[in-house]
Amino acid sequence: DGGITQSPKYLFRKEGQNVTLSCEQNLNHDAMYWYRQDPGQGLRLIYYSQIVNDFQKGDIAEGYSVSREKKESFPLTVTSAQKNPTAFYLCASSRPRAWDYGYTFGSGTRLTVV
Amino acid sequence: ELKVEQNPLFLSMQEGKNYTIYCNYSTTSDRLYWYRQDPGKSLESLFVLLSNGAVKQEGRLMASLDTKARLSTLHITAAVHDLSATYFCAVNNYGGSQGNLIFGKGTKLSVKP
Repeated sequence: DGGITQSPKYLFRKEGQNVTLSCEQNLNHDAMYWYRQDPGQGLRLIYYSQIVNDFQKGDIAEGYSVSREKKESFPLTVTSAQKNPTAFYLCASSRPRAWDYGYTFGSGTRLTVV
Repeated sequence: ELKVEQNPLFLSMQEGKNYTIYCNYSTTSDRLYWYRQDPGKSLESLFVLLSNGAVKQEGRLMASLDTKARLSTLHITAAVHDLSATYFCAVNNYGGSQGNLIFGKGTKLSVKP
């Protein structure tokens, strides 16, 4: 079955450390997205990519970086510049423009600073 | 800039009661999406509304879209505990710079016996 896979499910980061969250999809979707969700809050867009080798900053891109070298993969790196990274991170994908179908979400990665 | 507002943000209901969640958006769009999120889980697609007047129903949930009023409603009939979750609406952001969908802040629904 097609789907979108995020790993790991739980991740612990030490102060000053960079960590990378994985997002892989086999839905043949062109567009992919990263969102951050804090407890009891809505979704905030970090980065998105409409096509391979291209991506745009969202509302809260500072302290994060992404790459899109393959259509299937859109990894997110949380850098040491992100001072408060503890949150639930959601990856999503969609067909171009997402008009008729909306997004498909991964199961999420819960990142905790220790 | 497209803005999406949901209300209420928190809703505590008794089992068996009816209630409506509202989703207003600020600029023209003809597509709207509803998602459900259980605690600690990801978002699951509930409804995709693709035109003015669209109505979709699944069990005790019914969603509708009025593009002229820029309003969607999610109506809950005879609520049961299993409906406790956070519900998000999202609107298409045609040509926008913030990705394709703009999400509301979510409505946290708690159904009590």
